[in-house]
Amino acid sequence: AQTVTQSQPEMSVQEAETVTLSCTYDTSESDYYLFWYKQPPSRQMILVIRQEAYKQQNATENRFSVNFQKAAKSFSLKISDSQLGDAAMYFCAYIQGAQKLVFGQGTRLTINP
Amino acid sequence: NAGVTQTPKFQVLKTGQSMTLQCAQDMNHEYMSWYRQDPGMGLRLIHYSVGAGITDQGEVPNGYNVSRSTTEDFPLRLLSAAPSQTSVYFCASSRRGNQPQHFGDGTRLSIL
Repeated sequence: AQTVTQSQPEMSVQEAETVTLSCTYDTSESDYYLFWYKQPPSRQMILVIRQEAYKQQNATENRFSVNFQKAAKSFSLKISDSQLGDAAMYFCAYIQGAQKLVFGQGTRLTINP
Repeated sequence: NAGVTQTPKFQVLKTGQSMTLQCAQDMNHEYMSWYRQDPGMGLRLIHYSVGAGITDQGEVPNGYNVSRSTTEDFPLRLLSAAPSQTSVYFCASSRRGNQPQHFGDGTRLSIL
């Protein structure tokens, strides 16, 4: 079964600095999708960024970018110029085909002013 | 455009009671799913559906039942509530399984 591991239960960063959240996954498939979701205290699940495994180029969305290393099965999220509104739980997730979306355990990110 | 609507937002049940958590989406999405979120854990898939009339089990299906009679609705039934089912429940939908999922606001369920 596919598994997703986030090894950092908590991270903190100074406002305006850069932070990287780690995610590794286990799969024998070659075609799949990876996501980062953000969950602020409001409990909403908000899509941050998406990466298709067949694309070598790393996805970018404004201040958010990923470092996708397919051979290493690693999918880290970099947040540049951190803002107070970035404080949240961040979840890495994997899906292959129309199958089951598998989430990591989450990383709680704190932004220090 | 309401997106994914979950009702109720909060519910308290007694052990042994049954209830249905409602989920509706107005985006004509084929894929719908139910997750539970427990403290210190990520979201775990309970059941999912790839279209009307088709459902399948996720990671933690025991104690839950689903049906998908229409594209729009995907209710989750607790057959006989147990304290271990105390959790926050999320419904989600997407156009296809590998597309980003749209989540409802969640239902906080407490079983006494």
